[in-house]
Amino acid sequence: EVRLVESGGGLIQPGRSLRLSCTASGFDFGDFALSWVRQTPEKGLEWVGFISGNPSAGRTEYAASVRGRFTISRDDSKSVAYLQMNSLKTEDTAVYYCTRGPYYDSTGYCVHWGQGTLVSVSS
Amino acid sequence: EIVMTQSPATLSVSPGERATLSCRASQTIYTNLAWYQQKPGQAPRLLIYGASTRATGVPARFSGSGSGTEFTLTISSLQSEDFAVYYCQQYENWPPYTFGQGTKLEIK
Repeated sequence: EVRLVESGGGLIQPGRSLRLSCTASGFDFGDFALSWVRQTPEKGLEWVGFISGNPSAGRTEYAASVRGRFTISRDDSKSVAYLQMNSLKTEDTAVYYCTRGPYYDSTGYCVHWGQGTLVSVSS
Repeated sequence: EIVMTQSPATLSVSPGERATLSCRASQTIYTNLAWYQQKPGQAPRLLIYGASTRATGVPARFSGSGSGTEFTLTISSLQSEDFAVYYCQQYENWPPYTFGQGTKLEIK
């Protein structure tokens, strides 16, 4: 069974940094691309960014709203992906989901989703 | 960026009846469209990909159709567990992947 478990969310002040983790199990982690998707009541579902799997491992793409502030990485030896969020803004408040699609070089559609972790950016 | 527009925002249907949800893309996405179902407190669940292919374990009462810019999700006979929010997502032209704003399917 494929499982994605996010962790690391919480309350953080604007301008600070936070790192989310996505721990995976039940599949060959390195062979699949992963995306982070966030959700707010106001904006709905918003794709945040992606990291490719093998053989093009390490390619990343980001939404314009987070480019330059957020960084996605992965440690295939631990089956973990990370979302490093710097210079956080109040508008980054959301539930963050780790998702996996069927491909290695793009996420495409999100076959699997984690349970989500809430990030609240507030002073 | 491709904009996805769903209609209606809220749909009220009685159990046992048919529900038809619409999704429109701002430019052609061929059949690179997915539908998701989300219940309160849960993550979205993939229902349909490729505009018309049911994901594993999805009941046959769910069907998707369309291509280009116009798409439809049909639930043929609504069960109590089907009342939820439904989202469409395009994966033709990225970054970014984009989602519709959702249709809430409620009990009439």
